[in-house]
Formats: sequence, C-alpha cells, structure tokens
Amino acid sequence: KQEVTQIPAALSVPEGENLVLNCSFTDSAIYNLQWFRQDPGKGLTSLLLIQSSQREQTSGRLNASLDKSSGRSTLYIAASQPGDSATYLCAVSSDRDDKIIFGKGTRLHILP
Amino acid sequence: NAGVTQTPKFQVLKTGQSMTLQCAQDMNHNSMYWYRQDPGMGLRLIYYSASEGTTDKGEVPNGYNVSRLNKREFSLRLESAAPSQTSVYFCASTYSQGGETQYFGPGTRLLVL
Repeated sequence: KQEVTQIPAALSVPEGENLVLNCSFTDSAIYNLQWFRQDPGKGLTSLLLIQSSQREQTSGRLNASLDKSSGRSTLYIAASQPGDSATYLCAVSSDRDDKIIFGKGTRLHILP
Repeated sequence: NAGVTQTPKFQVLKTGQSMTLQCAQDMNHNSMYWYRQDPGMGLRLIYYSASEGTTDKGEVPNGYNVSRLNKREFSLRLESAAPSQTSVYFCASTYSQGGETQYFGPGTRLLVL
C-alpha cells in the first residue's frame, strides 16, 4: 500500500530565505508526483507535476525534484515571500491501481 | 470556464439523514475523484471514476455511494449520515489518470450532528 509522508509538518521561516519541503513515498511504481498549495478554507491548486520519467520541474521561484528509485521528492522555494504562506501537499499517482494518494502536508508560514 | 464546481458549499445534517454532494466540471475531463479532508489526516480518496460509466473504491469508501451521471458530473451520496462523516469534501478532475494535473473544486463543508 502506497504511503506518502511529508516532513516537516509545519515550518516557519523569515521572508527572503530559500527553503525545502520534503515528500517521501513507499512504492516507486508511480505515474507522476504533484505538488499542491492549499490556502486556509480553500481548495487545492496544482503547482508542479513531475512525470515518473522526469527528474525535476520548475515554475518561477519553485523547483520540484523527483528521485523515484529512492521514493523522494523535494519542493524548493526561492526567496520566500509572505504570500507563500500556505499548506503544501504532495500527491503520487500509482500505476498499480490508478489511485492518487496524498501526504498530510507541510504548513508553511513566512515571517514578514 | 468555471473549472470544477461543487454544491452545496456548506451543509448541516442530523445523524441518519441522507444527502447528495454534487460535482461538475466543464473541462472535458475523463477522470473524477471524491476526497475527504480531516485535520491531521490529509486528503483521503473516497471514490473515483476513471471514465464515464465506471467507478472504483478509494481508501475510505464505507458509508458512501457515487454516481457518474455523465462525463461532466460525479455525485457523492451519504445514505445515512454519521458524525464520523463530518469533514470537508473535495471533488477533483483530470483529463486522464496518471499523466495529468488534477483540478480541485472549492470544497463542501459537512457537519453531522
């Protein structure tokens, strides 16, 4: 059974710092991995999607990497801003049963 | 282009009552999903539909039923609501399983007393 873990559960950093969020998964048989952002009381917004054959994806100040063999992904946020404060979730799409499994998220707070 | 819409936004039920949560997407997506989100538990998949006419169980299907009414609409029904079903419910869709970005609706907050 696929399990997705995100560490840390919560993180506070001063504005301007670079930071890394971690995601690990137990079954490497995946189609892709997605990183989402969720603001309080809102739905999820997709940030980056990495196909299983890819190593990384970039969008603006965000960079996501994928090491499928070791079951790990990182989301790198450069030059953090208060507007980046949100919960970040990763999700893996399994190629065994077509399910998408989420981690519990990392709650990020950027201090002005 | 409204994306993924959900109704209602908020609902209060008494134990034993039934209700249907509605979800629709206008992006011509084939796959649709229902999740619940609880504090400390993350998002858990209830049911999904890989294509029109098919539905499959997710991680936590007990107490729920679904209907893929057509390509656009995917409903979630609680036949006899229980306090344990108090949660925020999200519907999502994607063009095809495995390779595409998921788009989420705004959620339905359900309180079962």
